[in-house]
Amino acid sequence: AQSVTQLGSHVSVSEGALVLLRCNYSSSVPPYLFWYVQYPNQGLQLLLKYTTGATLVKGINGFEAEFKKSETSFHLTKPSAHMSDAAEYFCAVKPGGYNKLIFGAGTRLAVHP
Amino acid sequence: EAGVAQSPRYKIIEKRQSVAFWCNPISGHATLYWYQQILGQGPKLLIQFQNNGVVDDSQLPKDRFSAERLKGVDSTLKIQPAKLEDSAVYLCASSLALAGANTGELFFGEGSRLTVL
Repeated sequence: AQSVTQLGSHVSVSEGALVLLRCNYSSSVPPYLFWYVQYPNQGLQLLLKYTTGATLVKGINGFEAEFKKSETSFHLTKPSAHMSDAAEYFCAVKPGGYNKLIFGAGTRLAVHP
Repeated sequence: EAGVAQSPRYKIIEKRQSVAFWCNPISGHATLYWYQQILGQGPKLLIQFQNNGVVDDSQLPKDRFSAERLKGVDSTLKIQPAKLEDSAVYLCASSLALAGANTGELFFGEGSRLTVL
């Protein structure tokens, strides 16, 4: 069965520091992978996605993620955190052949001055 | 382009009462999803429609939850009777989902927050 594991339910960084949010997936066939962000009392907004091609994908707000098939990972990074990045981040996988997304449990990012 | 619309945004009911949530997807999106997001967890798919047909409802508690998308556009999710554990945010999402051309991106509404007392 396909699944997504996000390591660390809470991550706290200083403003200007590197952001690293971890995501590992299990899938029997090459999946499509996504990162969504959720601000308080709002729906989910797509940050970036990997479908095929280049394994390093860039998204909005300076975020990027790298698909590593050998490690079954899709970690999200941003070189320099901003206060406005404080939100909950969800990794999701679209298993091959299915038109639905399976989400991880989420990681809440806190950014402090 | 208008986004996914949901109503109501907030609802408080007592257990054993009923509640209904409405969703209007982005125009032209054939696929509509209802997700349940319990506090501290990721969204869990309840039901997926392709036009007005159900594609996947394997995780829908059918003894109390029902959903319909009669004309292939807007959709209603109903809970009757509600239980305490149904307290959650109910997210509606839509996607183009054209056969062979679906990159999987879902567009989400702001959600309907249900509190069952």
